[in-house]
Amino acid sequence: EIVMTQSPATLSVSPGERATLSCRASQSVSSNLAWYQQKPGQAPRLLIYGASTRATGIPARFSGSGSGTEFTLTISSLQSEDFAVYYCQQYNNWPQWTFGQGTKVEIK
Amino acid sequence: EVQLVQSGAEVKKPGESLKISCKGSGYSFTSYWIGWVRQMPGKGLEWMGIIYPGDSDTRYSPSFQGQVTISADKSISTAYLQWSSLKASDTAMYYCARQGSSGYYPGYWGQGTLVTVSS
Repeated sequence: EIVMTQSPATLSVSPGERATLSCRASQSVSSNLAWYQQKPGQAPRLLIYGASTRATGIPARFSGSGSGTEFTLTISSLQSEDFAVYYCQQYNNWPQWTFGQGTKVEIK
Repeated sequence: EVQLVQSGAEVKKPGESLKISCKGSGYSFTSYWIGWVRQMPGKGLEWMGIIYPGDSDTRYSPSFQGQVTISADKSISTAYLQWSSLKASDTAMYYCARQGSSGYYPGYWGQGTLVTVSS
């Protein structure tokens, strides 16, 4: 079973600053890694798939990088609507979907 | 437009059975996998299992095997998640999610169904 570990658990950032979120896989998942944003009371929303491809309608301030076991989601300049919980998810070990435990991005 | 519309919130007693639904529209229902994801109160996302409605091929997470049943009725473009005997620990939000257009990630999500199990 692949384990996904996200860090940090909570990230305190001021609006306009850059946020960098990390995700590590216990074994290689190639580029089969996605990122999701979840706001309170809402379903998760796909941001990134294939480790670095933005989903339709996702602003360019969101970018993903990495391959193998180490991945990063970067939000270049945080907007008020970006404060949320972010999850990484591997789909290399198909048909299993494995999620990280989440990183909460909060206002500093 | 791809849409997944889930059935409404449920309040049940321990030991009762339940079947919740997820209706797909805006795409070929039989051509994409649909998975179910649990989110317990204040917690993260857990994959429960997945079904391919085209042939009803179904896979379960080891954590949920034997605890729930996933099925689909392609004639009405609807996937289901069911319990035969609910426990208080089944209290959670349940999401269905469809495979993305470019890969096996969950690209489209339903709005969620809140299941509350309490005596």
